[in-house]
Amino acid sequence: DAGVIQSPRHEVTEMGQEVTLRCKPISGHNSLFWYRQTMMRGLELLIYFNNNVPIDDSGMPEDRFSAKMPNASFSTLKIQPSEPRDSAVYFCASSFGGIANVLTFGAGSRLTVL
Amino acid sequence: QQQVKQSPQSLIVQKGGIPIINCAYENTAFDYFPWYQQFPGKGPALLIAIRPDVSEKKEGRFTISFNKSAKQFSLHIMDSQPGDSATYFCAASVAGNQFYFGTGTSLTVIP
Repeated sequence: DAGVIQSPRHEVTEMGQEVTLRCKPISGHNSLFWYRQTMMRGLELLIYFNNNVPIDDSGMPEDRFSAKMPNASFSTLKIQPSEPRDSAVYFCASSFGGIANVLTFGAGSRLTVL
Repeated sequence: QQQVKQSPQSLIVQKGGIPIINCAYENTAFDYFPWYQQFPGKGPALLIAIRPDVSEKKEGRFTISFNKSAKQFSLHIMDSQPGDSATYFCAASVAGNQFYFGTGTSLTVIP
């Protein structure tokens, strides 16, 4: 298995532009998580899906952020409009579920908003 | 509000030393406590995990100590090596959902 695949790996954009980050989870995993990593706040859970349904989006910073999972093999995290404070590394992770859950992370998407 | 508090923020040890990273939590509903290791440019990867019904778990040079009454757990790395230099995250979850991570500890092992 190729693992969790994220794209793009790096994105540099200007303030106000729309940003779309993509994630392909591991086949067979039924939970998908989006995290944001910054030096100040570490790994923050933004949203997680179970069986393609958003379960908890309380970590989404504000209405500028949205996430979708149209099917079991694809998810997007969109920021519109982007702001410099959104600069961070965004990770997607997937898991099979269960109590002793193991999250498998992608390599991350590094976003820089100028 | 940080669900899991981790310390120290950074740690430098000599090769062969035993770095210790500490984490504390408040939510007694947490029932799974994993540690993740992250190398630069990579995503975090599971290193070792413990359930609250045991006080210690050892895998190779990595040991988790768990104190349920104090709501604290820690990671010990025996005979640390330069290749252990990475960022370490503790985490906690309830029933395998909504993992909450600590802020991370940057470990440097000096040859």
